Amino acid sequence: GIQVEQSPPDLILQEGANSTLRCNFSDSVNNLQWFHQNPWGQLINLFYIPSGTKQNGRLSATTVATERYSLLYISSSQTTDSGVYFCAVGASGAGSYQLTFGKGTKLSVIP
Amino acid sequence: DAGITQSPRHKVTETGTPVTLRCHQTENHRYMYWYRQDPGHGLRLIHYSYGVKDTDKGEVSDGYSVSRSKTEDFLLTLESATSSQTSVYFCAISGSGASGSVVSYNEQFFGPGTRLTVL
Repeated sequence: GIQVEQSPPDLILQEGANSTLRCNFSDSVNNLQWFHQNPWGQLINLFYIPSGTKQNGRLSATTVATERYSLLYISSSQTTDSGVYFCAVGASGAGSYQLTFGKGTKLSVIP
Repeated sequence: DAGITQSPRHKVTETGTPVTLRCHQTENHRYMYWYRQDPGHGLRLIHYSYGVKDTDKGEVSDGYSVSRSKTEDFLLTLESATSSQTSVYFCAISGSGASGSVVSYNEQFFGPGTRLTVL
């Protein structure tokens, strides 16, 4: 099956700093989502981005499908950004609605 | 939140007992999924449904069964719980609902999770 690798696994930031999280995947996809899991365990949808670039406030994401990677940018980080960020992909073809998750990037934003 | 609820939210049970977790959605989404989350593994797909009475296995289906007799409910059953099934279980949905609340047909939205402990 498709493989998903996220980097870095852990990240500590000072409040106000910027960061880039990376997601590499091993095959063609027709679904790519970024999630934030907050400290209470809730999974929050950030972006649905199988290709292209999107922005939502301080967050933006870019997926280069031909090169099999996606980037999540967090600018002017806040303590509320802390948590685990997951990339999940759906492989092209039959069963493409199934998501395969990376192991996540744990972000800690300190005041 | 795409109208997804899970019950119970927390459960402690003993090895060998049957357990059923319920996922309920209110917006008529076609697809429903069960995932489990364990430390160091992200989320892994257990089973999914693509319509009433239409289900299929995911990556980690051994020891689990599912049923979907109504569009709004997707049940996950552990026939005889084992300690290795201690986990947090998430339900998800996709596919445009009756209200058109999902922007993309593929995009999945998750419920709040159920924490299951098997002693």
